[in-house]
Amino acid sequence: AQKVTQAQTEISVVEKEDVTLDCVYETRDTTYYLFWYKQPPSGELVFLIRRNSFDEQNEISGRYSWNFQKSTSSFNFTITASQVVDSAVYFCALSEASGGTSYGKLTFGQGTILTVHP
Amino acid sequence: EPEVTQTPSHQVTQMGQEVILRCVPISNHLYFYWYRQILGQKVEFLVSFYNNEISEKSEIFDDQFSVERPDGSNFTLKIRSTKLEDSAMYFCASRAGGLTDTQYFGPGTRLTVL
Repeated sequence: AQKVTQAQTEISVVEKEDVTLDCVYETRDTTYYLFWYKQPPSGELVFLIRRNSFDEQNEISGRYSWNFQKSTSSFNFTITASQVVDSAVYFCALSEASGGTSYGKLTFGQGTILTVHP
Repeated sequence: EPEVTQTPSHQVTQMGQEVILRCVPISNHLYFYWYRQILGQKVEFLVSFYNNEISEKSEIFDDQFSVERPDGSNFTLKIRSTKLEDSAMYFCASRAGGLTDTQYFGPGTRLTVL
């Protein structure tokens, strides 16, 4: 069974600080996909990134970067020079893909509430 | 940019009443999903739908729930007899095709059962 753990329930930082959100996953599949979604106070789920299990290259997109390490089953998300607009709940999610029986359901972590203070 | 839409944005109902939540997925997408998020909790998978039938469902998705794609555009979630614990945000999502594709979520419908 797949499982995603986000151990940090809440993080509070001051603007311009860097912050890393942790995500640890469990799966028996050799092929899987990892995601990060942002949920701002307005409530919608905004897709941020998808990584495939066979591609461990880290990725940077502006102030966002992601560190995928299969050896530790982690997919951490770093925001550099945080801004007040980054305040949101961030969810890590996993989708398994092996054996042709998966229809892509996402298993979410509990989410991390990030508050960025001015 | 195409997006998933959901109506209504907020639905208030009395316990025991039936509700239908509506979603319009992105037009060329083939896989459709419903998820639920109880206030302050994580997002939970309810059901996936492909080729006009349920492909997978969770333990939450019991006989009180049903899904339908009545025409080429709408995708609905029906709760037959609502309970207080059904109060949650319900998200619809759709995916184009292969598992490498991303699921895109609608803005959600907040269901309040009184």
